[in-house]
Amino acid sequence: NAGVMQNPRHLVRRRGQEARLRCSPMKGHSHVYWYRQLPEEGLKFMVYLQKENIIDESGMPKERFSAEFPKEGPSILRIQQVVRGDSAAYFCASSPPGTVNTGELFFGEGSRLTVL
Amino acid sequence: AQSVAQPEDQVNVAEGNPLTVKCTYSVSGNPYLFWYVQYPNRGLQFLLKYITGDNLVKGSYGFEAEFNKSQTSFHLKKPSALVSDSALYFCAVRTPSGAGSYQLTFGKGTKLSVIP
Repeated sequence: NAGVMQNPRHLVRRRGQEARLRCSPMKGHSHVYWYRQLPEEGLKFMVYLQKENIIDESGMPKERFSAEFPKEGPSILRIQQVVRGDSAAYFCASSPPGTVNTGELFFGEGSRLTVL
Repeated sequence: AQSVAQPEDQVNVAEGNPLTVKCTYSVSGNPYLFWYVQYPNRGLQFLLKYITGDNLVKGSYGFEAEFNKSQTSFHLKKPSALVSDSALYFCAVRTPSGAGSYQLTFGKGTKLSVIP
């Protein structure tokens, strides 16, 4: 059973470009979460999605960031017009139905974004 | 708002000695508590969780943690440390309901170094 798959693992962008990070949850998991880890910091919640629905986006910056989890295909975190402060590791996690509160999250290996 | 504090940035312990990684939390209501481990350039791996029941929780790789409600603590312990336990450890909390109940709030992490 493949784990949470994220790609690309490493992404380099110049300021003003767009970054797209993809996440395929574990098989059977219907909940996807995105977290951001800045250097020397813990993970910060960004957004929680189910298929075709954004459930909680309270951790997303108001501008330039968006996320989706379409009916078919991976979840995508999109960052428009990247700035140096967006450089971070972005982790996707998934969980199976019915475990939103009590269950652990299963994390991917992260996508490391570097903005030049 | 919920929060997690890991008061030690780094813990050093000799191989074979017991180890403790400290965590305190602040949350409204009963907490759901988690420990994760992160190896370099990898995602987070679940170790153990406390939801309800016995205050002493046993998890993966011989780790355990004790929930102490009066001290709002959830310290991670292991009776005999291995060099392979060297990694970054994160404590996390989630509330059972209400705003933010989907969000895991992480501490900043504690780097554990086990010295041969």
